Amino acid sequence: DTAVSQTPKYLVTQMGNDKSIKCEQNLGHDTMYWYKQDSKKFLKIMFSYNNKELIINETVPNRFSPKSPDKAHLNLHINSLELGDSAVYFCASSQSGVSYNEQFFGPGTRLTVL
Amino acid sequence: DQQVKQNSPSLSVQEGRISILNCDYTNSMFDYFLWYKKYPAEGPTFLISISSIKDKNEDGRFTVFLNKSAKHLSLHIVPSQPGDSAVYFCAASARYGNKLVFGAGTILRVKS
Repeated sequence: DTAVSQTPKYLVTQMGNDKSIKCEQNLGHDTMYWYKQDSKKFLKIMFSYNNKELIINETVPNRFSPKSPDKAHLNLHINSLELGDSAVYFCASSQSGVSYNEQFFGPGTRLTVL
Repeated sequence: DQQVKQNSPSLSVQEGRISILNCDYTNSMFDYFLWYKKYPAEGPTFLISISSIKDKNEDGRFTVFLNKSAKHLSLHIVPSQPGDSAVYFCAASARYGNKLVFGAGTILRVKS
């Protein structure tokens, strides 16, 4: 039973297209995240949602729009894809209100923009 | 501006010996530190963590040491096994914060 799942696992698309990545967690957590791992392998937070409310937005271009229909889902929609958007995108979840922040990650979505 | 640094991109260790992975941080607001392990084509998985009120935390073969004055932490794996070969990420968080700041990772290769 996958705790944090993402679809699709691979996504190849042309510049200028619009695409979405879906994320679901079955851990009962109330906080979800999107991270980007770029070509230099850094994992950087993009967004965080707590109970469907946006709480972190790390100066990501507004072509990226997260949507959280409920606290178990956090989708990422990307408009007008650019070459620089090619990366691996990871979804994660955690439970707020604890004194630490152990986050559980999905398997990642490798996005390639041609 | 890297707040969490892992200065060794890779480390190679013989099976059965100790692996030591290092991590430095600059932000004094960080008070919780985590290590994640990542295999190719998979997401990072939580390995071990330490709060700033401690200087050591142990879980089986894995021990994390924290030196707050030096803003340095290390992960010790004893004995190292070939299955430990992976990328290890150090991450830091401020108390009750939602944001994890990751280092660039260290590739560990354990040779049999």
